[in-house]
Amino acid sequence: EVQLVESGGGLVQPGGSLRLSCAASGFSVSGNYMSWVRQAPGKGLEWISIIYVAGFTYYADSVKGRFTVSRHNSENTLYLQMNSLRLEDTAVYYCARDSCGGGSCYPSSWGQGTLVTVSS
Amino acid sequence: QSVLTQPPSVSAAPGQKVTVSCSGNSSNVGHNYVSWYQQFPGTAPKLLISDNNRRPSGIPDRFSGSKSGTSATLGITGLQTGDEADYYCGTWDSSLNVYVFGTGTKVSVL
Repeated sequence: EVQLVESGGGLVQPGGSLRLSCAASGFSVSGNYMSWVRQAPGKGLEWISIIYVAGFTYYADSVKGRFTVSRHNSENTLYLQMNSLRLEDTAVYYCARDSCGGGSCYPSSWGQGTLVTVSS
Repeated sequence: QSVLTQPPSVSAAPGQKVTVSCSGNSSNVGHNYVSWYQQFPGTAPKLLISDNNRRPSGIPDRFSGSKSGTSATLGITGLQTGDEADYYCGTWDSSLNVYVFGTGTKVSVL
């Protein structure tokens, strides 16, 4: 059974840093495309990053240069390093395993999410 | 900064049908497969439809998807109170090299 468990969320001051983890089971993180998606309170879904099997990464403009996605293959864990955090980064952060077909990928299995609150 | 437009809300009586539209452009909906997600308050999104019209295992056939040009549509027939949720479309944008979600639609059962 595919399972994703996020952790690492919490309260952080503006300008601070936080690292989110996403522990996977039932499949290999390194053998799948993996995404991070966030949802601000009362708002819609916002895709923020993807890491390909080959290691390529893409980011939404809103986090480019501040966030970095990585993975630890032996721990089967996905990470999101978040630096220079802003008030508008406050959201629930979800990791997702992507499924791919027809030349594109989409988040198919989701974790339960972890809340990041940026506030002074 | 959603680039896919959905109606904020749709509603119908139990047993009736609702449709949710998702409008994009030639770089996203018009070029790639569309997925649909269902989200209940306080829970993670769940994949409902992939590849424009494919239902993952366990999704009832009351849910259907279609696409024409730069627009996609989610259909829900035999509407039930348990279908009250937020629904999002999503697809890859080949021009922006990002995955984009729709603005979201709240489905209500009257």
